[in-house]
Amino acid sequence: AQSVSQHNHHVILSEAASLELGCNYSYGGTVNLFWYVQYPGQHLQLLLKYFSGDPLVKGIKGFEAEFIKSKFSFNLRKPSVQWSDTAEYFCAVRDTGGFKTIFGAGTRLFVKA
Amino acid sequence: DTGVSQDPRHKITKRGQNVTFRCDPISEHNRLYWYRQTLGQGPEFLTYFQNEAQLEKSRLLSDRFSAERPKGSFSTLEIQRTEQGDSAMYLCASSLVGGWQNSYEQYFGPGTRLTVT
Repeated sequence: AQSVSQHNHHVILSEAASLELGCNYSYGGTVNLFWYVQYPGQHLQLLLKYFSGDPLVKGIKGFEAEFIKSKFSFNLRKPSVQWSDTAEYFCAVRDTGGFKTIFGAGTRLFVKA
Repeated sequence: DTGVSQDPRHKITKRGQNVTFRCDPISEHNRLYWYRQTLGQGPEFLTYFQNEAQLEKSRLLSDRFSAERPKGSFSTLEIQRTEQGDSAMYLCASSLVGGWQNSYEQYFGPGTRLTVT
């Protein structure tokens, strides 16, 4: 069965620090990959997605993620975080042959001003 | 507001009661999903509709749970004989798939928080 593992449940950073959130998935076939973000009091919203092509994808607000197929990973990065990036981040995987999207448990990021 | 809406936002019920939640997807979206999210976890898939057809149900969805999407527009999720273990946030999402538009991006609603006492 598909599963998604997010390495860190809680991350605390100071403003301007660099961010990398790990995500690994288990599935042998072709997948679509997503990072969703949930800001305090707001809905889940899409940050970025990978379907095919360039494995380095750029999303909103300066976030990017790199798909490394050999490592089954899709890590999220941002070179310099801001206080407003405080949120919960979810990695998600969809089997291209199906419909179901599997989410990781989430990483809560707190950025100190 | 053209996003996904859910009603009610909060529901407190006593164990054994039935509850029904409503989801209104983005109007042109043909797929609608229900998820459940508990504290410290990501959304867990419950069921999904392609237009009015319910195409898959998770094993998480016991016989006490039923979902409908009449006419392929809004959807309802009913839980009968609620149990304390049903306490969670119930999320609805919609997407547009088919034709030239195949993004599979899901747009989420604000969720309905259910508390069973």
